[in-house]
Amino acid sequence: DGGITQSPKYLFRKEGQNVTLSCEQNLNHDAMYWYRQDPGQGLRLIYYSQIVNDFQKGDIAEGYSVSREKKESFPLTVTSAQKNPTAFYLCASSIGRGQETQYFGPGTRLLVL
Amino acid sequence: AQKITQTQPGMFVQEKEAVTLDCTYDTSDQSYGLFWYKQPSSGEMIFLIYQGSYDEQNATEGRYSLNFQKARKSANLVISASQLGDSAMYFCAMRGDNQGGKLIFGQGTELSVKP
Repeated sequence: DGGITQSPKYLFRKEGQNVTLSCEQNLNHDAMYWYRQDPGQGLRLIYYSQIVNDFQKGDIAEGYSVSREKKESFPLTVTSAQKNPTAFYLCASSIGRGQETQYFGPGTRLLVL
Repeated sequence: AQKITQTQPGMFVQEKEAVTLDCTYDTSDQSYGLFWYKQPSSGEMIFLIYQGSYDEQNATEGRYSLNFQKARKSANLVISASQLGDSAMYFCAMRGDNQGGKLIFGQGTELSVKP
């Protein structure tokens, strides 16, 4: 089965703690994206990567970091510098540049204790 | 700057009837793509339909069609023969050729299908 997996489904963060959200795809897609969704809102882009070992900031990158060491994986770290991390985080992937469709994973809900 | 506007926070439709969800957009890109996604209560974003800015025909995918009016900058989603399982949030999104792959999303419309 080809698709995008995200783990965990729910994640709890304590004050001052860094947490990492996992995103894996077996679609052989070059491009991967991280979005944040707040209640009642649309999605906003955090980071994206169009190729291995390269990534760019999106609209709301402050307080987040990413890596892209493998084509299949694009983990997102929510650092302690992110003061309002409670949100729903969605990972997506697409074939590459152009007008191709982005396909999404099931999401991770991050809550602050 | 790119922007997507969905002016209907919530919509109701009777089962088996058709419904139109509105979407207007603004962009300075000459080439762009418009997308509709469905988000059920589980949270996953499900791709429904795509329209390219140079496509002359309106896109259709099963019960979904996209009413694309380029001059008016609108890309409304039409769902025919609504089903109870269509109850969800619906998001319109746009991607410009000069935006590095970024999707810009609207605020969404919550559709409720009544039996």
